[in-house]
Amino acid sequence: GENVEQHPSTLSVQEGDSAVIKCTYSDSASNYFPWYKQELGKRPQLIIDIRSNVGEKKDQRIAVTLNKTAKHFSLHITETQPEDSAVYFCAANGGGADGLTFGKGTHLIIQP
Amino acid sequence: DAGVIQSPRHEVTEMGQEVTLRCKPISGHDYLFWYRQTMMRGLELLIYFNNNVPIDDSGMPEDRFSAKMPNASFSTLKIQPSEPRDSAVYFCASSLSGDTDTQYFGPGTRLTVL
Repeated sequence: GENVEQHPSTLSVQEGDSAVIKCTYSDSASNYFPWYKQELGKRPQLIIDIRSNVGEKKDQRIAVTLNKTAKHFSLHITETQPEDSAVYFCAANGGGADGLTFGKGTHLIIQP
Repeated sequence: DAGVIQSPRHEVTEMGQEVTLRCKPISGHDYLFWYRQTMMRGLELLIYFNNNVPIDDSGMPEDRFSAKMPNASFSTLKIQPSEPRDSAVYFCASSLSGDTDTQYFGPGTRLTVL
């Protein structure tokens, strides 16, 4: 089955700086890579996703890049703000499957 | 749209008791997923349904766990008998179609087994 590794587990950045979270996956057949944000005690919420037919996608301050050859994808958040503080999860669909395999999460801390 | 609805939001029970978690997916969504979240294991897929039919239950930890979807608007996850290691947050999610469609999560049920 699919295996997703996520790094770092904790990331602390100054407000206004950029944050980058990286994930690798094992199943070359995976073709869908969503990123979820989860605040304490809340449900995971999709913030951006990318499908394997594109290499990059951007939505305002958030961008995701995908390298299919290397089997890794990354989340980039620019001009970080206090409300960006949360746990971020990457996931992959394991190609041919419909359920998601999640990384272990990154706790992003925005320092004022 | 009300989004995915789960009940109860919190459940505290004693070891050996039966627990039933409930989920109502977003209307019109053909796929329903059950996930479990713990600090140790993160977010894990337990089982998912397509058009009310279980497709993959390989994530169900053991025979104590069972899930049903009797109709398009209702699913249950049952644990019998419950054990302390079952304590976790259980999320239900739904999507319009499978594969590369967005999965929308419900608010979760926090289960504590004493």
